[in-house]
Amino acid sequence: DAGVTQSPTHLIKTRGQQVTLRCSPKSGHDTVSWYQQALGQGPQFIFQYYEEEERQRGNFPDRFSGHQFPNYSSELNVNALLLGDSALYLCASSNYRGSGEKLFFGSGTQLSVL
Amino acid sequence: GESVGLHLPTLSVQEGDNSIINCAYSNSASDYFIWYKQESGKGPQFIIDIRSNMDKRQGQRVTVLLNKTVKHLSLQIAATQPGDSAVYFCAENMEYGNKLVFGAGTILRVKS
Repeated sequence: DAGVTQSPTHLIKTRGQQVTLRCSPKSGHDTVSWYQQALGQGPQFIFQYYEEEERQRGNFPDRFSGHQFPNYSSELNVNALLLGDSALYLCASSNYRGSGEKLFFGSGTQLSVL
Repeated sequence: GESVGLHLPTLSVQEGDNSIINCAYSNSASDYFIWYKQESGKGPQFIIDIRSNMDKRQGQRVTVLLNKTVKHLSLQIAATQPGDSAVYFCAENMEYGNKLVFGAGTILRVKS
């Protein structure tokens, strides 16, 4: 049983560019959440998708957008990249049953913005 | 605002000893707490969780204690092993949805 898979594992972009990160949830999960983890810090919630809609959003600008597909996989898009967007981007999947459902994380995409 | 913090950024223990990692949280509305372990180059790995209607929960070699009176959470690891070396995060879940708030993390170093 494959867990949460993310691609690519590493990515290098320059300021102003756009990037798309991809995530496939764990088998049986229908909800995908995205987190940003800066070096030396804990992950920060970006947003969550269920039934192809954004259900919750953290304190991130509109440059961060996402999408969920009918097969539950998800994409995270970041436009107009800034140096400060350099981080590990983590995808987590779960079942949408409200509060406290166990999240399973992927290994992340390491994004470097030069 | 909402925050989850850790008292000790780095903890060094001798192999075989017990480890205790502490965490303070500020949101009394949080109803679910989780401990994650993160090794270098990997995503956070679920260790153990506890709901707010409990004060203790045990897993394999790990125990989580929740003290709602002082908003304190701890992770106890028995007979710490070199493979336990990692960064440990506590996280709290707000009353609605699955938006986790993570603390900054504690580095656990196990000396052989």
